Amino acid sequence: GAGVSQTPSNKVTEKGKYVELRCDPISGHTALYWYRQSLGQGPEFLIYFQGTGAADDSGLPNDRFFAVRPEGSVSTLKIQRTERGDSAVYLCASSITSGGYNEQFFGPGTRLTVL
Amino acid sequence: EDKVVQSPLSLVVHEGDTVTLNCSYEVTNFRSLLWYKQEKKAPTFLFMLTSSGIEKKSGRLSSILDKKELSSILNITATQTGDSAIYLCAVRRNAGNMLTFGGGTRLMVKP
Repeated sequence: GAGVSQTPSNKVTEKGKYVELRCDPISGHTALYWYRQSLGQGPEFLIYFQGTGAADDSGLPNDRFFAVRPEGSVSTLKIQRTERGDSAVYLCASSITSGGYNEQFFGPGTRLTVL
Repeated sequence: EDKVVQSPLSLVVHEGDTVTLNCSYEVTNFRSLLWYKQEKKAPTFLFMLTSSGIEKKSGRLSSILDKKELSSILNITATQTGDSAIYLCAVRRNAGNMLTFGGGTRLMVKP
């Protein structure tokens, strides 16, 4: 079955460069979440979309991070002027709606390495 | 700030053993507690516990929520090598939909 997909699976970049990470949620899921998982830690919330709008972006660490979801389906997480501390696995999740007690289904993540 | 703490950090057992993983939390306006299994990259959903559903069971896995003690346990009986993974606990509050995760427990089951 079609789960949450993320591309690329791995991304190596140099400090200062710009990167885009893509998430394709489960079809029909209106809520989409981005998390970041550093080595040896649990995922940390970054931003959540309900439809096309960012309903909560309180987890974005600074203004170098930005995410969009223009048509309410695919989302792109954009990181400008990457730093070595941005190296982590970026996980995307989706749920059927944002309300109630809906579980979040996770994608396989993108491992970002900033050299 | 919401907080989730898991213990132990890591655990090594042999096949057939029973294990208990712990999760304690501090969260404003608690809604639910979730357990995930993470083998490679994608956490996979195990259980969701709420005020109206404090005990869940699926095969060899079971989980209980103790709202008084602000904690939960995940039990795995008759462990198998395929149970080797990181087990993540997360909480969700009433306002907002983000999950706050603990640091995870790394379980290794040896043959």
